[in-house]
Amino acid sequence: EVQMVESGGGLVQPGGSLRLSCAASRFTFSSYAMSWVRQAPGKGLEWVSTVSRSGSSTFYADSMKGRFTISRDNSKNTLYLQMNSLRAEDTAIYFCAKDRATDYSTPNFDSWGQGTLVTVSS
Amino acid sequence: EIVLTQSPATLSLSPGERATLSCRASQSVSSFLAWYQQKPGQAPRLLIYDTSNRATGIPARFSGSGSGTDFTLTISSLEPEDFAVYYCQQRINWPLTFGQGTRLEIK
Repeated sequence: EVQMVESGGGLVQPGGSLRLSCAASRFTFSSYAMSWVRQAPGKGLEWVSTVSRSGSSTFYADSMKGRFTISRDNSKNTLYLQMNSLRAEDTAIYFCAKDRATDYSTPNFDSWGQGTLVTVSS
Repeated sequence: EIVLTQSPATLSLSPGERATLSCRASQSVSSFLAWYQQKPGQAPRLLIYDTSNRATGIPARFSGSGSGTDFTLTISSLEPEDFAVYYCQQRINWPLTFGQGTRLEIK
């Protein structure tokens, strides 16, 4: 069974930075686009960012552009999200999610990690 | 950005009843519409992709239909474990967007 484990969340002050990681196993990591999706407390799902299989293409929600950077290391089966200039509204659970298929240009998410909580507060 | 509007916000039904959830897109998403289920404290689970295809392991009581801007998720006969929040998601273009969710609660 596919497994993804996020880490790196925590409490950070406004304007600060965090780097999230997602360790993936039990599937061919390099064959799938990977994404981050977040969920603010008591709210709905919000797509954050997607990286292509090779890492050469990245996509971001407008409110994250210029502040967040997605990347991956296929040799380590790990997905990353570097978050800078954090704001209170970035407070959320951040999930990593795997694309359902290997050949789509835009993803659906068929496997998810358990999420890591990021709290931005002074 | 494509806005997905789900209705109703809350649906109150009893086990054994039929549930019909709606997702309307602000512009056509062709057939590129998916549905997810989320239970409290859990990650979402993919139910349906590309309008009508059940994801691996999803029971046959879940079905999806629609095209263009109007989509429906139907649960033919509710089981106790089906009471949860449901989200739709489009993937026709970036940015990917989700609906705001429909809460399916026990009546």
